[in-house]
Amino acid sequence: DAGVIQSPRHEVTEMGQEVTLRCKPISGHDYLFWYRQTMMRGLELLIYFNNNVPIDDSGMPEDRFSAKMPNASFSTLKIQPSEPRDSAVYFCASSLGFGSNTPLHFGNGTRLTVT
Amino acid sequence: SQQGEEDPQALSIQEGENATMNCSYKTSINNLQWYRQNSGRGLVHLILIRSNEREKHSGRLRVTLDTSKKSSSLLITASRAADTASYFCATDSLFYFGTGTSLTVIP
Repeated sequence: DAGVIQSPRHEVTEMGQEVTLRCKPISGHDYLFWYRQTMMRGLELLIYFNNNVPIDDSGMPEDRFSAKMPNASFSTLKIQPSEPRDSAVYFCASSLGFGSNTPLHFGNGTRLTVT
Repeated sequence: SQQGEEDPQALSIQEGENATMNCSYKTSINNLQWYRQNSGRGLVHLILIRSNEREKHSGRLRVTLDTSKKSSSLLITASRAADTASYFCATDSLFYFGTGTSLTVIP
């Protein structure tokens, strides 16, 4: 099992550009989560999916952020247009089932820098 | 909020010493999980303790849970340089993680 795979590992872009982050969850996992981590705010949940359907996107900071899961093995998080305050590490995680007795499996993140 | 908050924010110890970090939360829970994050990596699940358990062991890890005080502690015994990482607790929702305890183990 390769684990959760995220790409790219690093992304540097200029303000105003569109950014797309990608995630491949662990095969068979039916839940997928997108988190953002910054020094100031820690780890924040942005959105999560169940069986490819978005369940809760209340953590998405604003309309510039959007996430899709077209199939069970792929998800994207898009920021358009990007701003310097979006600079952070973005993590994708997946789990088999949902609940506090189910561990999350995290990818190694995408470090986004917006200049 | 069901967010767990870790304490202390940072901890520095010598290799071989024990490291203890704490987690406090505000509402009743069913389970609590601990995670480790190495620099530049994602979080890795370490251990889960259920609300009806008071203590759980996994290798050099010992977790305790006191539901009356709404707190949990993670003890790492005989620490190693490789234990240098940030440690997070997560309560029922798994949506909220604290800011973590940054542990440095000095060789």
